[in-house]
Amino acid sequence: GAGVSQSPSNKVTEKGKDVELRCDPISGHTALYWYRQSLGQGLEFLIYFQGNSAPDKSGLPSDRFSAERTGGSVSTLTIQRTQQEDSAVYLCASSLNYHKETQYFGPGTRLLVL
Amino acid sequence: QQQVKQSPQSLIVQKGGISIINCAYENTAFDYFPWYQQFPGKGPALLIAIRPDVSEKKEGRFTISFNKSAKQFSLHIMDSQPGDSATYFCAASISDYKLSFGAGTTVTVRA
Repeated sequence: GAGVSQSPSNKVTEKGKDVELRCDPISGHTALYWYRQSLGQGLEFLIYFQGNSAPDKSGLPSDRFSAERTGGSVSTLTIQRTQQEDSAVYLCASSLNYHKETQYFGPGTRLLVL
Repeated sequence: QQQVKQSPQSLIVQKGGISIINCAYENTAFDYFPWYQQFPGKGPALLIAIRPDVSEKKEGRFTISFNKSAKQFSLHIMDSQPGDSATYFCAASISDYKLSFGAGTTVTVRA
């Protein structure tokens, strides 16, 4: 079946602009995660959704970052007033449920802020 | 602060050799330790995972060794192949939620 998909695959933007990154999880997966992978760094947890609710937003680096999930499916990560330090690969993962289930990752969106 | 420390940052191994990657953690509440493999331009994919009630798990050429008292775990890749060249991440979580990742190890297998 189809895996996790993300769009766009690449995004170049200017400092100060807003960007939206989209994640389509595997059908039927109730848990959805956003991670950030900066150059030379491991993956950093950003936010977790169970259904449409986000019980853990602790990884969002600033109030410029927000995310939502609708219909228990598609999720959008929004970065307002982008800064150069936001340049990274943003990865989305989904799992069947939040507990004791494998997280399946999408290919990521590569964001470059000029 | 990084909750999982991974080493080495990179390694080169000859085809047929053994690759060993080590990870250490501090949080004794962690109860799930997966390893992910990532190829350039792709998202990470689960390779193998272990829970702290066992000390070793083997799947094909990949083995996880787990030392609960030392709070360390490692990945061994036996008979390394060029197709194993990738970046490997160890991770840890409490009940599989909110993975904390190591910084990654780039493995290069020379033919």
